[in-house]
Amino acid sequence: ELKVEQNPLFLSMQEGKNYTIYCNYSTTSDRLYWYRQDPGKSLESLFVLLSNGAVKQEGRLMASLDTKARLSTLHITAAVHDLSATYFCAAFMDSNYQLIWGAGTKLIIKP
Amino acid sequence: NAGVTQTPKFQVLKTGQSMTLQCAQDMNHEYMSWYRQDPGMGLRLIHYSVGAGITDQGEVPNGYNVSRSTTEDFPLRLLSAAPSQTSVYFCASRSPGDGYNSPLHFGNGTRLTVT
Repeated sequence: ELKVEQNPLFLSMQEGKNYTIYCNYSTTSDRLYWYRQDPGKSLESLFVLLSNGAVKQEGRLMASLDTKARLSTLHITAAVHDLSATYFCAAFMDSNYQLIWGAGTKLIIKP
Repeated sequence: NAGVTQTPKFQVLKTGQSMTLQCAQDMNHEYMSWYRQDPGMGLRLIHYSVGAGITDQGEVPNGYNVSRSTTEDFPLRLLSAAPSQTSVYFCASRSPGDGYNSPLHFGNGTRLTVT
């Protein structure tokens, strides 16, 4: 059974700092998705990582995938307040083509 | 382009009542799904459909029914509401064009409270 663990679950940081959110999954998966959710809102796709070593960047966010270590990271560079949100990772389950979701990381960026 | 539309946005039910959450998409997506989101638990898949006339169970299907008579619509029915079904429900769809490489598109959610 595929399980996805994110850490930390809560992160409070200052503007201008760098930090990384980790997403570990328990069995083989070669697709990893990152989403953002603002309070009371829907989920917005950030990145789709499709292969080992994949790296994608958008603005101050960069995501990477290491399928051998079963680990994806979401790195935040020089954080700004607008990046405050909850970030979810989801791993693709080959057996039934569904996504298994992490519990989410609530990120608060203080001015 | 409306994307994925869910109605209602909010609903309060009494235990034992039934209701249908509506989901419609205008992107011609074959894959549609229903998730529930509870605090600290991420999203859990309730039911999904890979095309009209085809549905299957997800991780937490008990107490819910679905049908898929058209490509556009995928309603979720609560048969006899229970307080444990208090949650936020999201409908999501995906383009089949490039297999499972494309992300899910989510609706704005339905916040359901069962008293």
